[in-house]
Amino acid sequence: DIQMTQSPSSLSASVGDRVTITCRASQSISSYLNWYQQKPGKAPKLLIYAASSLQSGVPSRFSGSGSGTDFTLTISSLQPEDFATYYCQQSYSTLPFTFGPGTKVDIK
Amino acid sequence: QVQLVQSGAEVKKPGASVKVSCKASGYTFTGYYMHWVRQAPGQGLEWMGRINPNSGATNYAQNFQGRVTMTRDTSISTAYMELSRLRSDDAAVYYCAREGDRRMPAGYYYYMDVWGKGTSVTVSS
Repeated sequence: DIQMTQSPSSLSASVGDRVTITCRASQSISSYLNWYQQKPGKAPKLLIYAASSLQSGVPSRFSGSGSGTDFTLTISSLQPEDFATYYCQQSYSTLPFTFGPGTKVDIK
Repeated sequence: QVQLVQSGAEVKKPGASVKVSCKASGYTFTGYYMHWVRQAPGQGLEWMGRINPNSGATNYAQNFQGRVTMTRDTSISTAYMELSRLRSDDAAVYYCAREGDRRMPAGYYYYMDVWGKGTSVTVSS
């Protein structure tokens, strides 16, 4: 199975900050990388698919980049509603659709 | 609108089974794979498996092989996930999620684009 890691596991930031989260795959997954946002008590929400494609309705302050094994999710200017946990997920190898362990973004 | 509505919270004893339902609406149920993902309290997301609602074919995560069964009833656009021989560490929120796809120059890309709200399963004697 392909293993996914994320860094940092948590971070504290202020409104307006630029935030970058990193995801690494244990082997090359081309651009088969998705990002999700999850708020407490809620289901995950798809933000980015295919490493850099913004899901419909997601604000443009979210962006994704990378290919192969290293990927990043960037929030250009953190908003109050962005405090949440972010997960990456690979879909290169269908079985299993492995998730990263998550990165919690909270208020500094 | 496209939505997945899951069944309500369950409380089960160790060793019992639980069956969670996920009713789809707003799209062609048989046109999209359905995944199941669980989340233990304070933990991350764990992929359990998926079902092809058209054929009924399933793929299960190794961790759940032999204990999980995913089925569907196309007449009512509903997918089911049954987990047997419950243990205390099966206590979690169980989500269903639709597998969307997008054809791009480099090929097809897959993701989970619609999620149910989750079903809480408590396992306690």
